[in-house]
Amino acid sequence: EAQVTQNPRYLITVTGKKLTVTCSQNMNHEYMSWYRQDPGLGLRQIYYSMNVEVTDKGDVPEGYKVSRKEKRNFPLILESPSPNQTSLYFCASSLGRGQGHEQYFGPGTRLTVT
Amino acid sequence: AQKITQTQPGMFVQEKEAVTLDCTYDTSDPSYGLFWYKQPSSGEMIFLIYQGSYDQQNATEGRYSLNFQKARKSANLVISASQLGDSAMYFCAMRDYTGNQFYFGTGTSLTVIP
Repeated sequence: EAQVTQNPRYLITVTGKKLTVTCSQNMNHEYMSWYRQDPGLGLRQIYYSMNVEVTDKGDVPEGYKVSRKEKRNFPLILESPSPNQTSLYFCASSLGRGQGHEQYFGPGTRLTVT
Repeated sequence: AQKITQTQPGMFVQEKEAVTLDCTYDTSDPSYGLFWYKQPSSGEMIFLIYQGSYDQQNATEGRYSLNFQKARKSANLVISASQLGDSAMYFCAMRDYTGNQFYFGTGTSLTVIP
């Protein structure tokens, strides 16, 4: 089954404790992206990757890191999480960067930072 | 700057009636893509419909159609014959001319009344 998977689905952590949210897709997609969703703000793009070893910042990259060492994986790293990073996080992928290439979303990771 | 504007935080529609969800966008680039996604209460993001900036005809996908008015920079979603399962949050999104950046609106919560 074609899908985007994220782990963990739920995470409660404390301020400053480094964490990684994994994202994997099995569709051989070139493009991958991370978003955070906050009430009243919609989804905002954190980072995106056009291909292996090629990443760039989205609208809200502060406090996050990413890497793309393999085509299928695009982990999101929070090196020193803070309470304002409490949010619902989505990973997404698309075949390429063509205008008509819709994104397939993972199920989301709900992160709480205390 | 706000790229996507959804001015209806909440909407109600009677079952079997049609409903229009508004979306306006802001870009000076000639090439872009417009998308609508549905997010049910379970949280996943579901792709509904796509409209390219160069498409002459309005996109349709089953009960969904996109009323694309390029000069007014609007891309309203029309859902015909509403069903109870259409109750969800709906997001309008734009993919920029590079194909790298996505901008989402703040969403419209639709409730279908039996």
